Amino acid sequence: AQSVTQLDSQVPVFEEAPVELRCNYSSSVSVYLFWYVQYPNQGLQLLLKYLSGSTLVESINGFEAEFNKSQTSFHLRKPSVHISDTAEYFCAVSPSTGNQFYFGTGTSLTVIP
Amino acid sequence: DAGVTQSPTHLIKTRGQQVTLRCSPKSGHDTVSWYQQALGQGPQFIFQYYEEEERQRGNFPDRFSGHQFPNYSSELNVNALLLGDSALYLCASSLVEGVSTEAFFGQGTRLTVV
Repeated sequence: AQSVTQLDSQVPVFEEAPVELRCNYSSSVSVYLFWYVQYPNQGLQLLLKYLSGSTLVESINGFEAEFNKSQTSFHLRKPSVHISDTAEYFCAVSPSTGNQFYFGTGTSLTVIP
Repeated sequence: DAGVTQSPTHLIKTRGQQVTLRCSPKSGHDTVSWYQQALGQGPQFIFQYYEEEERQRGNFPDRFSGHQFPNYSSELNVNALLLGDSALYLCASSLVEGVSTEAFFGQGTRLTVV
Protein backbone atom coordinates (compact mmCIF):
# COMPACT_ATOMS: atom_id res chain seq x y z
CA ALA A 1 0.00 0.00 0.00
CA GLN A 2 1.08 3.55 -0.66
CA SER A 3 0.45 6.73 1.32
CA VAL A 4 1.61 10.32 1.13
CA THR A 5 1.86 12.80 3.99
CA GLN A 6 2.15 16.52 3.42
CA LEU A 7 3.12 17.90 6.77
CA ASP A 8 1.93 21.47 6.27
CA SER A 9 -1.63 22.24 5.22
CA GLN A 10 -0.97 25.97 4.83
CA VAL A 11 2.28 27.85 4.19
CA PRO A 12 2.28 31.66 4.08
CA VAL A 13 5.48 33.24 2.81
CA PHE A 14 6.54 36.72 1.77
CA GLU A 15 7.30 37.48 -1.85
CA GLU A 16 10.94 36.77 -2.83
CA ALA A 17 11.48 34.63 0.27
CA PRO A 18 12.45 30.95 0.03
CA VAL A 19 9.94 28.19 0.66
CA GLU A 20 9.95 24.46 1.33
CA LEU A 21 6.87 22.27 1.09
CA ARG A 22 7.36 18.95 2.82
CA CYS A 23 6.30 15.55 1.55
CA ASN A 24 6.89 12.11 3.01
CA TYR A 25 5.69 8.86 1.56
CA SER A 26 5.28 5.25 2.51
CA SER A 27 5.29 2.36 0.08
CA SER A 28 5.96 -1.37 0.05
CA VAL A 29 7.00 -1.21 -3.63
CA SER A 30 9.17 0.97 -5.80
CA VAL A 31 7.46 4.26 -6.65
CA TYR A 32 7.77 7.32 -8.83
CA LEU A 33 7.30 10.71 -7.19
CA PHE A 34 5.47 13.80 -8.41
CA TRP A 35 4.51 17.32 -7.48
CA TYR A 36 1.35 18.76 -9.00
CA VAL A 37 0.04 22.33 -8.70
CA GLN A 38 -3.61 23.34 -8.70
CA TYR A 39 -4.72 26.92 -9.24
CA PRO A 40 -8.21 27.96 -8.09
CA ASN A 41 -11.02 26.31 -10.02
CA GLN A 42 -8.58 24.43 -12.23
CA GLY A 43 -7.31 20.90 -12.65
CA LEU A 44 -3.89 19.59 -11.75
CA GLN A 45 -0.73 20.58 -13.60
CA LEU A 46 2.47 18.57 -13.35
CA LEU A 47 5.24 20.60 -11.73
CA LEU A 48 8.03 18.02 -11.67
CA LYS A 49 8.64 14.32 -11.29
CA TYR A 50 11.28 11.85 -10.18
CA LEU A 51 11.46 8.58 -12.05
CA SER A 52 15.12 7.59 -11.75
CA GLY A 53 18.63 9.00 -12.01
CA SER A 54 19.65 12.25 -10.34
CA THR A 55 17.78 12.69 -7.08
CA LEU A 56 17.43 16.43 -7.65
CA VAL A 57 14.79 17.39 -10.20
CA GLU A 58 13.89 20.86 -11.39
CA SER A 59 10.91 22.55 -13.00
CA ILE A 60 11.00 25.28 -15.63
CA ASN A 61 9.66 27.90 -13.20
CA GLY A 62 12.34 27.60 -10.53
CA PHE A 63 11.00 24.86 -8.27
CA GLU A 64 13.14 21.88 -7.35
CA ALA A 65 12.61 18.71 -5.36
CA GLU A 66 15.02 16.17 -3.97
CA PHE A 67 14.27 12.49 -3.60
CA ASN A 68 15.65 11.11 -0.34
CA LYS A 69 15.17 7.36 -0.25
CA SER A 70 16.45 6.85 3.29
CA GLN A 71 14.06 9.44 4.68
CA THR A 72 11.29 8.59 2.18
CA SER A 73 10.88 12.26 1.41
CA PHE A 74 10.41 14.40 -1.68
CA HIS A 75 10.37 17.99 -0.43
CA LEU A 76 9.65 20.85 -2.84
CA ARG A 77 11.71 24.03 -2.66
CA LYS A 78 11.97 27.39 -4.35
CA PRO A 79 14.64 29.95 -3.46
CA SER A 80 12.48 33.00 -4.23
CA VAL A 81 8.70 32.87 -4.59
CA HIS A 82 6.44 35.13 -6.65
CA ILE A 83 2.84 36.16 -6.16
CA SER A 84 1.92 33.90 -9.08
CA ASP A 85 3.12 30.84 -7.11
CA THR A 86 0.08 31.13 -4.84
CA ALA A 87 -1.73 27.81 -5.35
CA GLU A 88 -2.40 24.38 -3.87
CA TYR A 89 0.48 21.92 -4.20
CA PHE A 90 0.01 18.17 -4.14
CA CYS A 91 2.67 15.53 -3.69
CA ALA A 92 1.89 12.17 -5.27
CA VAL A 93 3.41 8.74 -5.72
CA SER A 94 2.73 6.08 -8.28
CA PRO A 95 3.90 2.47 -8.20
CA SER A 96 6.60 1.99 -10.81
CA THR A 97 4.59 -0.93 -12.21
CA GLY A 98 1.31 0.96 -12.28
CA ASN A 99 -0.35 4.01 -13.66
CA GLN A 100 -2.33 5.22 -10.63
CA PHE A 101 -1.54 8.16 -8.37
CA TYR A 102 -1.79 8.38 -4.60
CA PHE A 103 -1.99 12.01 -3.50
CA GLY A 104 -1.30 13.81 -0.28
CA THR A 105 -3.87 16.18 1.20
CA GLY A 106 -2.17 19.21 -0.30
CA THR A 107 -0.36 22.32 0.90
CA SER A 108 -1.85 25.73 0.29
CA LEU A 109 0.96 28.15 -0.52
CA THR A 110 0.08 31.81 -0.10
CA VAL A 111 2.64 34.39 -1.23
CA ILE A 112 2.26 37.68 0.62
CA PRO A 113 3.23 40.90 -1.18
CA ASP B 1 -4.23 19.96 -28.98
CA ALA B 2 -7.19 20.50 -26.66
CA GLY B 3 -5.70 18.41 -23.87
CA VAL B 4 -8.09 16.58 -21.57
CA THR B 5 -11.61 17.97 -21.70
CA GLN B 6 -14.37 17.28 -19.20
CA SER B 7 -18.05 18.10 -19.29
CA PRO B 8 -20.00 19.57 -17.72
CA THR B 9 -17.90 21.96 -15.66
CA HIS B 10 -20.50 22.30 -12.92
CA LEU B 11 -23.47 20.20 -11.96
CA ILE B 12 -26.07 20.28 -9.20
CA LYS B 13 -28.00 17.11 -8.41
CA THR B 14 -30.45 16.02 -5.76
CA ARG B 15 -29.71 13.23 -3.31
CA GLY B 16 -30.77 9.88 -4.75
CA GLN B 17 -30.40 10.93 -8.37
CA GLN B 18 -27.93 9.57 -10.90
CA VAL B 19 -25.23 11.54 -12.71
CA THR B 20 -22.98 11.00 -15.73
CA LEU B 21 -19.72 12.87 -16.20
CA ARG B 22 -17.75 12.83 -19.43
CA CYS B 23 -14.07 12.95 -20.36
CA SER B 24 -12.18 13.18 -23.65
CA PRO B 25 -8.51 12.24 -23.31
CA LYS B 26 -5.57 14.09 -24.73
CA SER B 27 -4.86 13.22 -28.32
CA GLY B 28 -2.80 10.03 -28.54
CA HIS B 29 -3.67 8.82 -25.05
CA ASP B 30 -5.56 5.56 -24.59
CA THR B 31 -5.97 5.26 -20.81
CA VAL B 32 -8.40 7.26 -18.70
CA SER B 33 -8.43 7.46 -14.92
CA TRP B 34 -11.01 9.12 -12.69
CA TYR B 35 -10.34 10.80 -9.37
CA GLN B 36 -12.58 12.31 -6.70
CA GLN B 37 -11.31 15.40 -4.90
CA ALA B 38 -13.38 16.35 -1.89
CA LEU B 39 -13.08 19.89 -0.56
CA GLY B 40 -9.75 20.38 1.19
CA GLN B 41 -8.50 16.92 0.25
CA GLY B 42 -6.20 15.40 -2.31
CA PRO B 43 -7.61 13.51 -5.27
CA GLN B 44 -8.54 9.89 -4.62
CA PHE B 45 -8.37 7.24 -7.33
CA ILE B 46 -11.74 5.85 -8.40
CA PHE B 47 -10.86 3.62 -11.36
CA GLN B 48 -8.96 3.37 -14.62
CA TYR B 49 -10.07 2.30 -18.10
CA TYR B 50 -8.01 0.89 -20.93
CA GLU B 51 -9.22 -0.93 -24.03
CA GLU B 52 -12.80 -0.31 -22.88
CA GLU B 53 -12.29 -2.30 -19.70
CA GLU B 54 -11.85 -1.35 -16.06
CA ARG B 55 -8.24 -2.22 -15.23
CA GLN B 56 -7.84 -0.92 -11.71
CA ARG B 57 -10.27 0.25 -9.06
CA GLY B 58 -9.86 2.22 -5.89
CA ASN B 59 -11.86 1.94 -2.70
CA PHE B 60 -15.18 3.20 -4.03
CA PRO B 61 -18.59 1.48 -3.83
CA ASP B 62 -20.33 -0.09 -6.80
CA ARG B 63 -22.50 3.03 -7.11
CA PHE B 64 -19.53 4.38 -9.03
CA SER B 65 -19.26 2.85 -12.47
CA GLY B 66 -17.68 3.80 -15.74
CA HIS B 67 -17.32 3.16 -19.40
CA GLN B 68 -14.74 3.72 -22.09
CA PHE B 69 -15.67 4.07 -25.73
CA PRO B 70 -13.70 2.97 -28.83
CA ASN B 71 -12.47 6.55 -29.30
CA TYR B 72 -10.96 6.34 -25.76
CA SER B 73 -13.39 8.85 -24.26
CA SER B 74 -14.91 7.86 -20.96
CA GLU B 75 -17.91 8.33 -18.71
CA LEU B 76 -18.20 8.19 -14.95
CA ASN B 77 -21.62 7.27 -13.59
CA VAL B 78 -22.69 7.66 -9.99
CA ASN B 79 -26.00 6.19 -8.85
CA ALA B 80 -28.05 6.95 -5.74
CA LEU B 81 -26.16 10.15 -5.04
CA LEU B 82 -25.26 10.99 -1.46
CA LEU B 83 -24.43 14.37 -0.02
CA GLY B 84 -20.89 13.06 0.49
CA ASP B 85 -20.47 12.59 -3.25
CA SER B 86 -20.15 16.36 -3.61
CA ALA B 87 -16.65 16.90 -4.94
CA LEU B 88 -14.50 17.88 -7.89
CA TYR B 89 -14.21 14.92 -10.24
CA LEU B 90 -10.99 14.85 -12.22
CA CYS B 91 -10.22 12.87 -15.30
CA ALA B 92 -6.63 12.03 -16.24
CA SER B 93 -5.39 10.54 -19.47
CA SER B 94 -2.14 8.75 -20.14
CA LEU B 95 -0.54 6.01 -22.18
CA VAL B 96 -0.79 2.49 -20.84
CA GLU B 97 2.99 2.05 -20.95
CA GLY B 98 3.16 3.70 -17.57
CA VAL B 99 3.74 6.87 -15.71
CA SER B 100 6.99 7.67 -17.49
CA THR B 101 4.54 9.26 -19.83
CA GLU B 102 3.03 11.86 -17.55
CA ALA B 103 -0.66 11.94 -16.93
CA PHE B 104 -2.61 14.99 -18.03
CA PHE B 105 -5.54 16.15 -15.95
CA GLY B 106 -8.69 17.88 -17.08
CA GLN B 107 -10.19 20.93 -15.40
CA GLY B 108 -12.66 18.77 -13.54
CA THR B 109 -16.41 18.65 -13.01
CA ARG B 110 -17.68 20.23 -9.83
CA LEU B 111 -20.60 18.10 -8.57
CA THR B 112 -22.82 19.45 -5.84
CA VAL B 113 -25.40 17.12 -4.30
CA VAL B 114 -28.20 18.84 -2.42
